Amino acid sequence: SQKIEQNSEALNIQEGKTATLTCNYTNYSPAYLQWYRQDPGRGPVFLLLIRENEKEKRKERLKVTFDTTLKQSLFHITASQPADSATYLCALDMNTGNQFYFGTGTSLTVIP
Amino acid sequence: DAGITQSPRHKVTETGTPVTLRCHQTENHRYMYWYRQDPGHGLRLIHYSYGVKDTDKGEVSDGYSVSRSKTEDFLLTLESATSSQTSVYFCAISVRRTSGSKEQYFGPGTRLTVT
Repeated sequence: SQKIEQNSEALNIQEGKTATLTCNYTNYSPAYLQWYRQDPGRGPVFLLLIRENEKEKRKERLKVTFDTTLKQSLFHITASQPADSATYLCALDMNTGNQFYFGTGTSLTVIP
Repeated sequence: DAGITQSPRHKVTETGTPVTLRCHQTENHRYMYWYRQDPGHGLRLIHYSYGVKDTDKGEVSDGYSVSRSKTEDFLLTLESATSSQTSVYFCAISVRRTSGSKEQYFGPGTRLTVT
């Protein structure tokens, strides 16, 4: 089965800087790699996804890269704001069934 | 929020008692999921459903059963709760886009404590 690793330590950055979160996986590359945001006491919220054959995807201040050779996705938040503080989860959609595989998440704190 | 509600939102129960959690959706989605979330483990799939009366096991299904008698409701039952089942439980639906990709949308969660 897939093992998915995200930054094990919490990430603290200064407001206005770019936050970079990492998602590494083992075994087979997913058809789609997804990123979710989770605030305390709430369910995860879908942010964006990237396909296996895409290198980069952008949505407003968010950018995701996907390197199937390294088996890694990077999630960037540019011009970070305190409101971006949350836990960010990556998830793999292998597209061979109906299951998704989630990482443990990275806690991001943006310091004003 | 894709019209997903969960009940109860919080529950404290004793070891050995049966517990049923309910997930309700209002948008007629075919696929529904139950996850548990624990520190250090992230979200782990318990069971999922791909239609009325059609369910399948996930990664951590032991000790859990599910039922789906209507499209809008997906029930998770702990037949005899144990302390190891203390967790936060999330229900989710998935939406398939015309591109073929799928996205998941989650309910607000149920915090279950087994004493």
